[in-house]
Amino acid sequence: GDSVTQMEGPVTLSEEAFLTINCTYTATGYPSLFWYVQYPGEGLQLLLKATKADDKGSNKGFEATYRKETTSFHLEKGSVQVSDSAVYFCALSSSGTYKYIFGTGTRLKVLA
Amino acid sequence: NAGVTQTPKFQVLKTGQSMTLQCAQDMNHNSMYWYRQDPGMGLRLIYYSASEGTTDKGEVPNGYNVSRLNKREFSLRLESAAPSQTSVYFCASSEKGQAHYEQYFGPGTRLTVT
Repeated sequence: GDSVTQMEGPVTLSEEAFLTINCTYTATGYPSLFWYVQYPGEGLQLLLKATKADDKGSNKGFEATYRKETTSFHLEKGSVQVSDSAVYFCALSSSGTYKYIFGTGTRLKVLA
Repeated sequence: NAGVTQTPKFQVLKTGQSMTLQCAQDMNHNSMYWYRQDPGMGLRLIYYSASEGTTDKGEVPNGYNVSRLNKREFSLRLESAAPSQTSVYFCASSEKGQAHYEQYFGPGTRLTVT
């Protein structure tokens, strides 16, 4: 079945460091891919998405590119801020289904 | 526009007690979902409702029931709570239940079963 694998955390970075959180997936067909972010005590909110191969999603300085050849959707940011400290979830949704598959989440802590 | 609201925010139950978690959305979305979030396991789908009047099981439905009361409301019921149901529960909605539509999440209900 469909699945999402993302790097385990926690990831601890200094402010202004470069961030990469790896995400790979297994799916039949052509899924849509998402990154969600969860701030402490809150629900998840969409950070960015890509719906077809080679699409790049971007928002708030974060980027991820849908790579079909490597089945990956890695999240990157060039310069993290303390306010980016949160848990990041990679997710996919396959066409023809009503279901999302979420990764286990990666906790990011950014130190001033 | 409140988005997705959930009640209660916190709840403590004793084993065997029952309760209903309430969820409502004001975005006129067709599809609604219930997830549970456990440490190290991400979010797992309990039940979903593709549209008003329909409900389907997700990945972990055992011990739960749902009701899609109308287009706005989707409740989750625990008939006889067990310690294994201690978790954080999230309700979500999306405009349509198709792959590329974003899901909007409520703030969650933290449930402890003793």
